[in-house]
Amino acid sequence: EIVLTQSPDFQSVTPKEKVTITCRASQSIGSSLHWYQQKPDQSPKLLIKYASQSISGVPSRFSGSGSGTDFTLTINSLEAEDAATYYCHQSSSLPLTFGQGTKVEIK
Amino acid sequence: EVQLLESGGGLVQPGGSLRLSCAASGFTFSSYAMSWVRQAPGKGLEWVSAISGSGGSTYYADSVKGRFTISRDNSKNTLYLQMNSLRAEDTAVYYCAKSPYYYDSSGLRVEAFDIWGQGTMVTVSS
Repeated sequence: EIVLTQSPDFQSVTPKEKVTITCRASQSIGSSLHWYQQKPDQSPKLLIKYASQSISGVPSRFSGSGSGTDFTLTINSLEAEDAATYYCHQSSSLPLTFGQGTKVEIK
Repeated sequence: EVQLLESGGGLVQPGGSLRLSCAASGFTFSSYAMSWVRQAPGKGLEWVSAISGSGGSTYYADSVKGRFTISRDNSKNTLYLQMNSLRAEDTAVYYCAKSPYYYDSSGLRVEAFDIWGQGTMVTVSS
């Protein structure tokens, strides 16, 4: 099973600040890494697929990078509506796995 | 509008059974793989099971293998999860999610979950 480890677990950020969340895989997964945003009491929403591919309707301040074992989700100029928990997810092999999540709080 | 709507959750005693349903609309249901993903209260996301578009290939997390069965009825655009021998640790919100898929030499390859349902709560308690 591929283990995904996100860092940090929690981040408190002021609006307009840049946020960087990392996801490390226990073995190489190529670019089969996806990012989701989950706001309180809502279902997850796909933000980025295949490490860096943008999703229609997702604000351009969200971007992703990386390949192999190390990946990054960047939120440029954080907005209040970005308060949420962010998860990475690998689809390289079964069982599909998720990172433990990174909670982003707005100061 | 692409939509997934889960139903069937509730309170069940340990050892009991429950069947979840996920009604799909707004897309060609049979062209996509479907998965169940769960989230225990206050915890992260855990993939439970996946099924190919035709229903011919199914996969399970070790934590539910032998107890849960995923199936689909493409004529009704509906996904199911039959859950037997339920345990307290199965308590969670259960989401259905759709994803493109393909096959390679290793078998089924599920892609990103591009649409999720709103979830249905399953509570296993005496």
